[in-house]
Amino acid sequence: NAGVTQTPKFQVLKTGQSMTLQCAQDMNHEYMSWYRQDPGMGLRLIHYSVGAGITDQGEVPNGYNVSRSTTEDFPLRLLSAAPSQTSVYFCASSRTTTSYEQYFGPGTRLTVT
Amino acid sequence: GENVEQHPSTLSVQEGDSAVIKCTYSDSASNYFPWYKQELGKGPQLIIDIRSNVGEKKDQRIAVTLNKTAKHFSLHITETQPEDSAVYFCAAREGGGGADGLTFGKGTHLIIQP
Repeated sequence: NAGVTQTPKFQVLKTGQSMTLQCAQDMNHEYMSWYRQDPGMGLRLIHYSVGAGITDQGEVPNGYNVSRSTTEDFPLRLLSAAPSQTSVYFCASSRTTTSYEQYFGPGTRLTVT
Repeated sequence: GENVEQHPSTLSVQEGDSAVIKCTYSDSASNYFPWYKQELGKGPQLIIDIRSNVGEKKDQRIAVTLNKTAKHFSLHITETQPEDSAVYFCAAREGGGGADGLTFGKGTHLIIQP
């Protein structure tokens, strides 16, 4: 199993541009989530999904959209990038909604100029 | 919602000594407390976790203790080695399911001095 994969590893955007961060898992996990990591802030939950077709907002959802059309994929979309969205983004998954262990991807480092 | 405080933000210890990182949480309904290790350029990796029905858990050189009354939990690393150098995060999750994800502390940068 590849586990949780994320692409791209690095991305630079200009203010106002849009893009999609890709996340996929091959473990047949029900639950997937997106976090952002900023210096001195730990990881904060952006959006999560408890299964295909179901998504919900986390702590910091503004400026981001998600969809879950398949169990494997959970893309994160930035509609109009802002410098405040410069961060490292991590996707995570767990077997079920009530499973305790979360597996994290390697991250995408995004810079918005 | 849950709030997790983590201390210290940086910890430097001599190789072979022990390291202790402490976290407190605010929501008495939280019942799952994992610790993650993050190496430079990588995603967090679970190293040990504890549930609220257990007071202590060990795995070789690492251990976690939980005090539910005081709402704090700690990570203990004994006989530290250079490869233990990393950023460590504690987290807590409220009972009733994982839908809301984990609430993380802000991290501790552990430096092992040779």
